Amino acid sequence: DAGVIQSPRHEVTEMGQEVTLRCKPISGHDYLFWYRQTMMRGLELLIYFNNNVPIDDSGMPEDRFSAKMPNASFSTLKIQPSEPRDSAVYFCASSFKGFNYGYTFGSGTRLTVV
Amino acid sequence: GEDVEQSLFLSVREGDSSVINCTYTDSSSTYLYWYKQEPGAGLQLLTYIFSNMDMKQDQRLTVLLNKKDKHLSLRIADTQTGDSAIYFCAESRPSGGSYIPTFGRGTSLIVHP
Repeated sequence: DAGVIQSPRHEVTEMGQEVTLRCKPISGHDYLFWYRQTMMRGLELLIYFNNNVPIDDSGMPEDRFSAKMPNASFSTLKIQPSEPRDSAVYFCASSFKGFNYGYTFGSGTRLTVV
Repeated sequence: GEDVEQSLFLSVREGDSSVINCTYTDSSSTYLYWYKQEPGAGLQLLTYIFSNMDMKQDQRLTVLLNKKDKHLSLRIADTQTGDSAIYFCAESRPSGGSYIPTFGRGTSLIVHP
Protein backbone atom coordinates (compact mmCIF):
# COMPACT_ATOMS: atom_id res chain seq x y z
CA ASP A 1 0.00 0.00 0.00
CA ALA A 2 1.29 3.47 -0.87
CA GLY A 3 0.12 4.89 2.44
CA VAL A 4 -1.84 8.09 2.88
CA ILE A 5 -1.24 10.32 -0.10
CA GLN A 6 -1.51 14.07 0.11
CA SER A 7 -1.23 16.65 -2.60
CA PRO A 8 0.27 19.04 -3.24
CA ARG A 9 3.40 18.73 -1.07
CA HIS A 10 3.93 22.45 -1.15
CA GLU A 11 1.56 25.27 -1.93
CA VAL A 12 2.33 28.96 -2.08
CA THR A 13 -0.58 31.25 -2.65
CA GLU A 14 -1.53 34.85 -2.28
CA MET A 15 -3.77 36.10 0.45
CA GLY A 16 -7.41 35.95 -0.58
CA GLN A 17 -7.01 33.03 -2.94
CA GLU A 18 -8.78 29.71 -2.55
CA VAL A 19 -6.65 26.76 -1.55
CA THR A 20 -7.62 23.11 -1.85
CA LEU A 21 -5.66 20.35 -0.18
CA ARG A 22 -6.24 16.73 -1.14
CA CYS A 23 -5.94 13.42 0.62
CA LYS A 24 -6.25 9.80 -0.39
CA PRO A 25 -6.51 7.54 2.66
CA ILE A 26 -5.34 3.97 2.90
CA SER A 27 -7.78 1.63 1.25
CA GLY A 28 -10.07 0.02 3.80
CA HIS A 29 -9.55 2.65 6.47
CA ASP A 30 -12.83 4.03 7.76
CA TYR A 31 -11.59 7.08 9.67
CA LEU A 32 -9.95 10.13 8.16
CA PHE A 33 -8.47 13.05 10.07
CA TRP A 34 -7.22 16.48 9.07
CA TYR A 35 -4.56 18.11 11.26
CA ARG A 36 -2.73 21.40 11.16
CA GLN A 37 0.79 21.79 12.55
CA THR A 38 2.39 25.08 13.48
CA MET A 39 5.23 26.04 15.76
CA MET A 40 2.93 28.13 17.91
CA ARG A 41 0.08 25.69 18.41
CA GLY A 42 1.61 22.31 17.71
CA LEU A 43 -0.63 19.67 16.15
CA GLU A 44 -4.31 20.58 16.04
CA LEU A 45 -7.13 18.28 15.00
CA LEU A 46 -9.34 20.17 12.57
CA ILE A 47 -11.98 17.63 11.59
CA TYR A 48 -12.47 13.91 11.29
CA PHE A 49 -14.72 11.63 9.26
CA ASN A 50 -16.04 8.17 9.88
CA ASN A 51 -17.29 6.28 6.84
CA ASN A 52 -17.19 9.53 4.85
CA VAL A 53 -19.41 11.37 7.33
CA PRO A 54 -17.99 14.35 9.25
CA ILE A 55 -18.15 13.52 12.95
CA ASP A 56 -16.49 16.43 14.67
CA ASP A 57 -15.48 19.69 13.04
CA SER A 58 -15.07 21.68 16.23
CA GLY A 59 -11.41 22.16 15.47
CA MET A 60 -12.02 23.99 12.22
CA PRO A 61 -10.81 27.49 12.98
CA GLU A 62 -13.51 29.45 11.16
CA ASP A 63 -15.96 29.41 8.32
CA ARG A 64 -13.21 29.96 5.80
CA PHE A 65 -12.28 26.32 6.30
CA SER A 66 -14.35 23.48 4.90
CA ALA A 67 -13.73 19.78 4.39
CA LYS A 68 -15.47 17.14 2.35
CA MET A 69 -15.19 13.44 1.83
CA PRO A 70 -17.26 12.51 -1.22
CA ASN A 71 -16.16 8.88 -1.12
CA ALA A 72 -14.01 6.49 0.86
CA SER A 73 -10.89 7.21 -1.16
CA PHE A 74 -10.79 10.98 -1.30
CA SER A 75 -11.05 14.02 0.94
CA THR A 76 -10.43 17.72 0.50
CA LEU A 77 -9.72 20.58 2.85
CA LYS A 78 -10.51 23.97 1.40
CA ILE A 79 -9.60 27.42 2.64
CA GLN A 80 -11.43 30.34 1.07
CA PRO A 81 -10.25 33.04 1.29
CA SER A 82 -6.78 32.18 2.55
CA GLU A 83 -4.89 34.39 4.99
CA PRO A 84 -1.20 34.52 6.00
CA ARG A 85 -2.05 33.05 9.41
CA ASP A 86 -3.23 29.89 7.66
CA SER A 87 0.37 29.13 6.77
CA ALA A 88 1.15 25.74 8.31
CA VAL A 89 1.71 22.11 7.48
CA TYR A 90 -1.58 20.29 6.98
CA PHE A 91 -1.64 16.56 7.59
CA CYS A 92 -4.19 13.99 6.66
CA ALA A 93 -4.30 10.68 8.53
CA SER A 94 -6.43 7.58 8.28
CA SER A 95 -7.15 4.61 10.49
CA PHE A 96 -9.18 1.47 10.73
CA LYS A 97 -11.80 1.32 13.49
CA GLY A 98 -10.67 4.57 14.99
CA PHE A 99 -7.70 5.86 16.79
CA ASN A 100 -7.17 3.02 19.25
CA TYR A 101 -5.37 1.07 16.56
CA GLY A 102 -3.09 3.99 15.80
CA TYR A 103 -3.18 5.63 12.48
CA THR A 104 -1.12 6.50 9.44
CA PHE A 105 -0.20 10.03 8.52
CA GLY A 106 0.44 11.43 5.09
CA SER A 107 3.57 13.43 4.37
CA GLY A 108 1.69 16.69 4.70
CA THR A 109 1.10 19.80 2.61
CA ARG A 110 3.18 22.82 3.50
CA LEU A 111 1.00 25.85 2.85
CA THR A 112 2.44 29.33 2.64
CA VAL A 113 0.08 32.25 2.21
CA VAL A 114 1.82 35.50 1.27
CA GLY B 1 -2.78 19.51 22.65
CA GLU B 2 -2.00 21.63 25.69
CA ASP B 3 -3.28 18.98 28.10
CA VAL B 4 -0.56 16.58 27.04
CA GLU B 5 2.75 18.05 28.11
CA GLN B 6 6.25 17.25 26.99
CA SER B 7 9.55 19.01 27.26
CA LEU B 8 10.46 20.64 23.97
CA PHE B 9 14.07 19.53 23.59
CA LEU B 10 16.36 16.69 24.58
CA SER B 11 20.01 16.38 23.62
CA VAL B 12 21.94 13.13 24.05
CA ARG B 13 25.20 11.63 22.95
CA GLU B 14 25.22 8.81 20.43
CA GLY B 15 25.18 5.46 22.22
CA ASP B 16 23.55 6.80 25.37
CA SER B 17 19.96 6.14 26.37
CA SER B 18 17.30 8.78 25.76
CA VAL B 19 14.28 9.20 27.98
CA ILE B 20 11.41 11.34 26.76
CA ASN B 21 8.71 12.13 29.28
CA CYS B 22 5.08 13.04 28.92
CA THR B 23 2.21 13.85 31.26
CA TYR B 24 -1.41 13.57 30.29
CA THR B 25 -4.62 14.56 32.00
CA ASP B 26 -7.47 12.24 31.09
CA SER B 27 -7.58 9.16 33.31
CA SER B 28 -10.13 7.59 30.96
CA SER B 29 -7.62 7.38 28.16
CA THR B 30 -7.39 3.79 27.07
CA TYR B 31 -4.39 3.94 24.78
CA LEU B 32 -1.29 6.09 24.88
CA TYR B 33 1.03 6.46 21.94
CA TRP B 34 4.42 7.58 20.85
CA TYR B 35 4.87 8.95 17.37
CA LYS B 36 8.06 9.98 15.59
CA GLN B 37 8.29 12.77 13.05
CA GLU B 38 11.34 13.11 10.86
CA PRO B 39 12.01 16.34 8.96
CA GLY B 40 9.58 16.92 6.12
CA ALA B 41 7.54 13.86 6.94
CA GLY B 42 4.34 12.95 8.68
CA LEU B 43 4.06 11.34 12.06
CA GLN B 44 4.92 7.67 12.24
CA LEU B 45 3.49 5.45 14.94
CA LEU B 46 6.36 4.05 17.01
CA THR B 47 4.54 2.18 19.71
CA TYR B 48 1.50 2.28 21.93
CA ILE B 49 0.53 0.99 25.34
CA PHE B 50 -2.82 0.02 26.72
CA SER B 51 -3.77 1.75 29.93
CA ASN B 52 -3.82 -1.45 31.98
CA MET B 53 -0.15 -2.09 31.25
CA ASP B 54 2.84 -0.71 33.12
CA MET B 55 5.53 -1.40 30.60
CA LYS B 56 6.01 -2.40 27.02
CA GLN B 57 9.29 -3.23 25.35
CA ASP B 58 9.97 -3.36 21.63
CA GLN B 59 13.61 -3.80 20.65
CA ARG B 60 15.39 -0.57 21.65
CA LEU B 61 12.18 1.08 22.81
CA THR B 62 10.74 0.82 26.31
CA VAL B 63 7.50 2.50 27.27
CA LEU B 64 6.69 3.02 30.92
CA LEU B 65 3.26 4.06 32.13
CA ASN B 66 2.48 5.36 35.58
CA LYS B 67 -1.28 5.65 35.49
CA LYS B 68 -1.53 7.01 39.00
CA ASP B 69 0.65 9.99 38.11
CA LYS B 70 -0.54 10.10 34.47
CA HIS B 71 3.04 9.89 33.35
CA LEU B 72 4.31 8.20 30.22
CA SER B 73 7.91 7.81 29.16
CA LEU B 74 9.76 6.52 26.14
CA ARG B 75 13.25 5.17 26.56
CA ILE B 76 15.45 4.64 23.53
CA ALA B 77 18.45 2.45 24.23
CA ASP B 78 21.73 2.95 22.36
CA THR B 79 20.49 6.13 20.72
CA GLN B 80 21.69 6.63 17.15
CA THR B 81 21.90 9.72 14.97
CA GLY B 82 19.02 8.30 12.96
CA ASP B 83 16.86 8.64 16.04
CA SER B 84 17.07 12.42 15.78
CA ALA B 85 13.48 13.55 15.25
CA ILE B 86 10.48 15.00 17.04
CA TYR B 87 8.69 12.56 19.32
CA PHE B 88 5.02 13.07 20.09
CA CYS B 89 3.12 11.64 22.99
CA ALA B 90 -0.61 11.18 22.41
CA GLU B 91 -3.57 9.97 24.38
CA SER B 92 -6.93 8.79 23.15
CA ARG B 93 -9.93 10.27 24.87
CA PRO B 94 -13.49 9.01 24.56
CA SER B 95 -15.69 11.42 22.66
CA GLY B 96 -19.06 10.87 21.09
CA GLY B 97 -18.72 7.11 20.86
CA SER B 98 -15.24 7.23 19.48
CA TYR B 99 -11.77 8.05 20.73
CA ILE B 100 -10.17 11.34 19.88
CA PRO B 101 -6.43 11.72 19.92
CA THR B 102 -4.75 14.57 21.71
CA PHE B 103 -1.11 15.18 20.97
CA GLY B 104 1.59 16.87 22.97
CA ARG B 105 3.72 19.60 21.39
CA GLY B 106 6.50 17.14 20.67
CA THR B 107 10.04 16.70 22.00
CA SER B 108 12.90 17.39 19.61
CA LEU B 109 15.55 14.74 20.19
CA ILE B 110 19.01 15.80 19.08
CA VAL B 111 21.65 13.10 18.96
CA HIS B 112 25.23 14.27 18.69
CA PRO B 113 28.39 12.23 18.16
